[in-house]
Amino acid sequence: SYELTQPPSVSVSPGQTARITCSADALPKQYAYWYQQKPGQAPVLVIYKDSERPSGIPERFSGSSSGTTVTLTISGVQAEDEADYYCQSADSSGTYQVFGGGTKLTVL
Amino acid sequence: QVQLQESGPGLVKPSQTLSLTCTVSGGSISSGGYYWSWIRQHPGKGLEWIGYIYYSGSTYYNPSLKSRVTISVDTSKNQFSLKLSSVTAADTAVYYCARLNSSGYLNWGQGTLVTVSS
Repeated sequence: SYELTQPPSVSVSPGQTARITCSADALPKQYAYWYQQKPGQAPVLVIYKDSERPSGIPERFSGSSSGTTVTLTISGVQAEDEADYYCQSADSSGTYQVFGGGTKLTVL
Repeated sequence: QVQLQESGPGLVKPSQTLSLTCTVSGGSISSGGYYWSWIRQHPGKGLEWIGYIYYSGSTYYNPSLKSRVTISVDTSKNQFSLKLSSVTAADTAVYYCARLNSSGYLNWGQGTLVTVSS
């Protein structure tokens, strides 16, 4: 089965830059999306089509893509950014959706 | 603003069929351009895509669940539904309905916890 690989955890101090990666073979062909999920809440889309930011998402959230890896970057991390982050994409056919295992961002 | 709301039993017995409905407000399922999806999250775990349906009735399922899953749509009620058969404790999860297009899953329901237990 197709999988997206994320690191289980990332820790940063407030004001620093957090980078969360997501890797898979089909990522050069398929867009990636990123979601933020806080405890007890539904996920919220923070990046779409690798690097686009939905309306209402702070500018400190950005996305990039290079080969089989996409990266979510949070610049000037704030305490409120502490959450689980999931990447999402499709298999090479574009038919089946898949989520990464999630990365817990801890703000020290 | 489109809103989605899951509804259905919070407790299902093992071997029975889990049935959930997602009611869409603020937009029409029939308008096209979106895939109406079910996603679940086991307690303390990550997100798992279950499948989606287009308003025309075309469906796509997670291969790991395909033999037990049915997603259907009722455009007259602006609802879509999930049926998962032969459930076990491993199907205990929060189930979300969500709307997908090329801009991602922008709209989600609040999620509903379904527990499988006798």
